[in-house]
Amino acid sequence: DGGITQSPKYLFRKEGQNVTLSCEQNLNHDAMYWYRQDPGQGLRLIYYSQIVNDFQKGDIAEGYSVSREKKESFPLTVTSAQKNPTAFYLCASSWQGPHNEQFFGPGTRLTVL
Amino acid sequence: SQKIEQNSEALNIQEGKTATLTCNYTNYSPAYLQWYRQDPGRGPVFLLLIRENEKEKRKERLKVTFDTTLKQSLFHITASQPADSATYLCAPHNAGNMLTFGGGTRLMVKP
Repeated sequence: DGGITQSPKYLFRKEGQNVTLSCEQNLNHDAMYWYRQDPGQGLRLIYYSQIVNDFQKGDIAEGYSVSREKKESFPLTVTSAQKNPTAFYLCASSWQGPHNEQFFGPGTRLTVL
Repeated sequence: SQKIEQNSEALNIQEGKTATLTCNYTNYSPAYLQWYRQDPGRGPVFLLLIRENEKEKRKERLKVTFDTTLKQSLFHITASQPADSATYLCAPHNAGNMLTFGGGTRLMVKP
């Protein structure tokens, strides 16, 4: 059963703590993406990776870090440097090329207490 | 800077009518434009892609148009059903070869 998974669904953290969000795909896609969505707003690109061991900053990378050690995994770390981390985080994957659709995971809702 | 505008107000229509959603973009010329559906608390799901040399694309009850002169895409759902109620996001391709998502328009179809 192919797809893209994210865990956990809900995440709570205290201010000053780093937290890592998981994203796994078994679609054999080369490209993976992390987006942030705030209420009533569109998706904003945080980081993307088009190949293993390589990733690029998106529009709002400050306060976030990623790694791409395996093709199927693209974890996102929200660091304490991120000023307003409470948001809905979405991971996606796609085949290479701009005309390909993106497949999204179910999302992780992060709340900073 | 590149900007995408979708009507932030919800669109309320009666079941059976045609829903028309608008996506306007400025300051770039995307070669592709995608439309996605998003249900509350879930990830977006791809619906349609249209290329700049295509004026119109259809898929079942869905139709998308792409006017590169007006810098606008229209998304139509004919014979709308309550199950079509969701937020619809347009995503033109940007200069960096990534998708840029609009804020979405919420569609409510009443029985």
